[in-house]
Amino acid sequence: EAQVTQNPRYLITVTGKKLTVTCSQNMNHEYMSWYRQDPGLGLRQIYYSMNVEVTDKGDVPEGYKVSRKEKRNFPLILESPSPNQTSLYFCASSLWSPTQGTQYFGPGTRLLVL
Amino acid sequence: AQSVTQLDSQVPVFEEAPVELRCNYSSSVSVYLFWYVQYPNQGLQLLLKYLSGSTLVKGINGFEAEFNKSQTSFHLRKPSVHISDTAEYFCAVIPPGGYQKVTFGTGTKLQVIP
Repeated sequence: EAQVTQNPRYLITVTGKKLTVTCSQNMNHEYMSWYRQDPGLGLRQIYYSMNVEVTDKGDVPEGYKVSRKEKRNFPLILESPSPNQTSLYFCASSLWSPTQGTQYFGPGTRLLVL
Repeated sequence: AQSVTQLDSQVPVFEEAPVELRCNYSSSVSVYLFWYVQYPNQGLQLLLKYLSGSTLVKGINGFEAEFNKSQTSFHLRKPSVHISDTAEYFCAVIPPGGYQKVTFGTGTKLQVIP
């Protein structure tokens, strides 16, 4: 079954404590991305990756890091989380363009930073 | 640059009544247009998409949308809603360059009233 998995699904942490949210896809997609969803703001792109070792900033990259060492994995790293990073996070994967296929979303990770 | 406007943050509608969720966009280039649905505590699921060709697009669960280039709109419609359609709906635009430049609207919460 084609899927994007994220772990953990729920996370409560404190300000400044480094955390990593993992994302993995089993569809051999080149393109992966991270979004955050906030009430009234919709989804905003944090970072994306066009392929292994190729990453770039989205619209709201401040406070986040990513890496793409393997094609299937695209972890999101918060080195020093702050309360304004409390949000719902989604990972997604696809081929590069809508003409090639659909973008698949993970189930989401709900993060609370105290 | 591109933008997406979903003017209605919430739309209440009685069960079996028709519904229209509005989406307007602006872009200096031609774009691909999408509607996603997010059921409570779930990720995003593709409802339908417009890439090219016929301006009337049919999607899953009885939804359809019409691309109107002159009005830069892509409104989502369903002739008769069910309780199970209660969810949040997101319109998104993607330029020809691909998913790395996707822009989501702020979402419309559809509340179906029995």
